[in-house]
Amino acid sequence: QVQLQESGPGLVKPSQTLSLTCTVSGGSISSGSHYWNWLRQPAGKGLEWIGRIYSSGSTNYNPSLRSRLIISVDKSKNQFSLKMSSVTAADTAVYYCATEGPPSLNGPPFDYWGQGILVTVSS
Amino acid sequence: DIQMTQSPSSLSASVGDRVTITCRASEKINNYLNWYQQIPGKAPKLLIFAASTLQSGVPSRFSGSGSGTDFTLTISSLQPEDFATYYCQQSYGNLITFGGGTKVEIK
Repeated sequence: QVQLQESGPGLVKPSQTLSLTCTVSGGSISSGSHYWNWLRQPAGKGLEWIGRIYSSGSTNYNPSLRSRLIISVDKSKNQFSLKMSSVTAADTAVYYCATEGPPSLNGPPFDYWGQGILVTVSS
Repeated sequence: DIQMTQSPSSLSASVGDRVTITCRASEKINNYLNWYQQIPGKAPKLLIFAASTLQSGVPSRFSGSGSGTDFTLTISSLQPEDFATYYCQQSYGNLITFGGGTKVEIK
């Protein structure tokens, strides 16, 4: 069973870059068994998809955030990461990493989730 | 972008009640519709995928139906552990989107 764990700073200053890492255990990012995603949820609000990376390294991003995003993968460490630049208070949220799979499904669901990490943007 | 509209946004129900939550897509999404349960302070949990397929380990009192634009999540007999917020999610468009959520509270 795949397990995911987010890590990174819980506090980021406005205009700086938010950097988070998701460490995968119980499965290999290289296997192609899943797609690897980031999502977020502001306090008391709904879920927003940020983007995904495939084991090949190709990515898809939410168009509303694309200009500020980089999602990358480190297969040697079985991790994938999120960088979001020029953050503002509106980016304050719980950030989740999640797997999407299996790819054989039409519109695969988010089947495994990390516990989430609260990131606050404040000076 | 495909907009997902859930109704109601909240409901009060008693243990043993039958509960139905509706999700409507702004355009046809075939059956590319998933349902999640979220307990406060926890990550969402997958309940139903492909509109009607029960995720492994999820109790059979949960069921999903629908295709095209209109979908339903039904809890046949509400249990104490089912009081949570439920989200639908479409994966048909290039942009994955979620419904606004339905909070199920104790009456």
